[in-house]
Amino acid sequence: EDQVTQSPEALRLQEGESSSLNCSYTVSGLRGLFWYRQDPGKGPEFLFTLYSAGEEKEKERLKATLTKKESFLHITAPKPEDSATYLCAVRTRSGYNKLIFGAGTRLAVHP
Amino acid sequence: GAVVSQHPSRVICKSGTSVKIECRSLDFQATTMFWYRQFPKQSLMLMATSNEGSKATYEQGVEKDKFLINHASLTLSTLTVTSAHPEDSSFYICSARDSGLSYEQYFGPGTRLTVT
Repeated sequence: EDQVTQSPEALRLQEGESSSLNCSYTVSGLRGLFWYRQDPGKGPEFLFTLYSAGEEKEKERLKATLTKKESFLHITAPKPEDSATYLCAVRTRSGYNKLIFGAGTRLAVHP
Repeated sequence: GAVVSQHPSRVICKSGTSVKIECRSLDFQATTMFWYRQFPKQSLMLMATSNEGSKATYEQGVEKDKFLINHASLTLSTLTVTSAHPEDSSFYICSARDSGLSYEQYFGPGTRLTVT
């Protein structure tokens, strides 16, 4: 069964304290891994898509990387406005256009 | 680009009534739209996949007669919760895939449904 696991469940950082969020997956043929940011009471906002191991993408303080088993979302020198829930999702060979979401990591960045 | 809207953002209805939620892709065409449900502090659960001009595909355990989905155009899909009950109260979110691009899904802002 296709599965996506995110860790940690929650993370508290001081402003400027860099860290990484993990998304591990067990799927039958990865056809894309997606990172989203979700603020409370709002829909997810698209961040990145990664398709193959070794691929990396960056946007401001965020950098996403992908291996054959997991993806990391690195946050460099975070600011309070980076506080949100970060969701990881995968598209699989057997799932057609569907995305399977992990439970998310709730990030809180304190000044 | 890739903006998806939902209407209404919040709705309160009485038990037994029906509620319609609209999802629109504003600046792109979407042959496929998705409907999700999200409970507090939980992740998104896919309810159904909606394809323009054809019947929706429902996930296991989702009652298709209760959650009616219509995708009549390339920019509009609707979800109707029929005979709503308090247990249907939830945050409903739609997403759309740009027909001309890759497989990213762009999400609407969500609709908070409360059934009293």
